[in-house]
Amino acid sequence: QVQLVQSGAEVKKPGASVKVSCRTSGYTFTGNYIHWVRQAPGQGLEWMGCIEPKSGDTYYAQRFRGRVALTRDTSINTAYMDLSGLTSDDTATYYCAREQWFFRYWGQGSLVIVSS
Amino acid sequence: DIVMTQSPDSLAVSLGERATINCKSSQSVVNSYTSKTHLAWYQKKPGQPPKLLIYGASTRESGVPVRFSGGGSETDFTLTISGLEAEDVAVYYCQQYCAVPRTFGQGTRVEIK
Repeated sequence: QVQLVQSGAEVKKPGASVKVSCRTSGYTFTGNYIHWVRQAPGQGLEWMGCIEPKSGDTYYAQRFRGRVALTRDTSINTAYMDLSGLTSDDTATYYCAREQWFFRYWGQGSLVIVSS
Repeated sequence: DIVMTQSPDSLAVSLGERATINCKSSQSVVNSYTSKTHLAWYQKKPGQPPKLLIYGASTRESGVPVRFSGGGSETDFTLTISGLEAEDVAVYYCQQYCAVPRTFGQGTRVEIK
């Protein structure tokens, strides 16, 4: 069965960076884009970007360009989201999702808290 | 970017009654290559990842109760819960997957009256 398992919660200081992993199994990793979506407390779902695991091609939401980097390691079927220059506004739960146009499979979420 | 706008922001419905959520896209979400409507609905509960309910505007995901139905075309869509149950309390989001960036509506909170 398809599974996406994300790394655990993180607490970071303002200005720091965070790297969240998304380990996949149950399907061919290079066959589907991986997207990243976040939800800040009390807010809606916000799309951040996506990566094509086969080529490494990435697409980013305008508001995150220059601050987010999506990468992958095909040897261990894992995708990564690296967000730098953290502020309190980046406190959120970050989700990875496997695309087959829509998002049927999601990771469990990774809580990132940014606090001094 | 395609802007997705949902209405209302929240609604309270009695158990067993119908809940209807609207979603409007700023441009058509019919994919020019597939001719399919690239509109999905998700249910979001606290502490859980979003759950896919509907894709292709009206195709119910496997395992989703039949009381959930989707409709609409081009730029105007609806999600209907026919016969609200207590477990349906959640926030519902529409999403277009026609273009990048993928965009979500702001969400509609459904509560029990």
